[in-house]
Amino acid sequence: NIMMTQSPSSLAVSAGEKVTMSCKSSQSVLYSSNQKNYLAWYQQKPGQSPKLLIYWASTRESGVPDRFTGSGSGTDFTLTISSVQAEDLAVYYCHQYLSSHTFGGGTKLEIK
Amino acid sequence: EIQLQQSGPELVKPGASVKVSCKASGYSFTDYNMYWVKQSHGKSLEWIGYIDPYNGGTSYNQKFKGKATLTVDKSSSTAFMHLNSLTSEDSAVYYCARDTKRYFDVWGAGTTVTVSS
Repeated sequence: NIMMTQSPSSLAVSAGEKVTMSCKSSQSVLYSSNQKNYLAWYQQKPGQSPKLLIYWASTRESGVPDRFTGSGSGTDFTLTISSVQAEDLAVYYCHQYLSSHTFGGGTKLEIK
Repeated sequence: EIQLQQSGPELVKPGASVKVSCKASGYSFTDYNMYWVKQSHGKSLEWIGYIDPYNGGTSYNQKFKGKATLTVDKSSSTAFMHLNSLTSEDSAVYYCARDTKRYFDVWGAGTTVTVSS
């Protein structure tokens, strides 16, 4: 099983600041045949279900603000929020779908 | 609009069973597998299993084999998850999620199952 490790587990920033959070997989999620990283990011706001933000590691889902950017390849991935807004308060999960499905433990984003 | 509408919260006694539903709308129900995902309080996400609504084929996370049974009713575009022999460890929020055959692009609002005497 591929394990997903996210860091930090939580962080607090002021509105307008840039945020980066990390997701590392225990094995590469890059599929050599198509050179795609089988990695997605979800946002889960308090009391809500997860919402798809990013798939294929860097493709933004339709309707997701462009302040959200996914990057990385192989085993190391990053979700960046260029200018945090109050509504970005949430837990962010990474998800590998190369080999079955596993999720990271989440990064909780708090707004100061 | 694509939606997955889940059934309401359940309070069940230890040892009992429960059936959670997920009604799909806004797309062709048989074109996408439906996954079920467990989120224990304050914790991360685990996939339970999935069902192919077209032919009823299923696959389960080894951890949930014998615990969960997935079915569908194509006539009403509804997926079901039956959980048996419930214990406190089964208290959680359960989501259905549409599978693009890769990532999960649409999620239900979740059904809270509480196991308590």
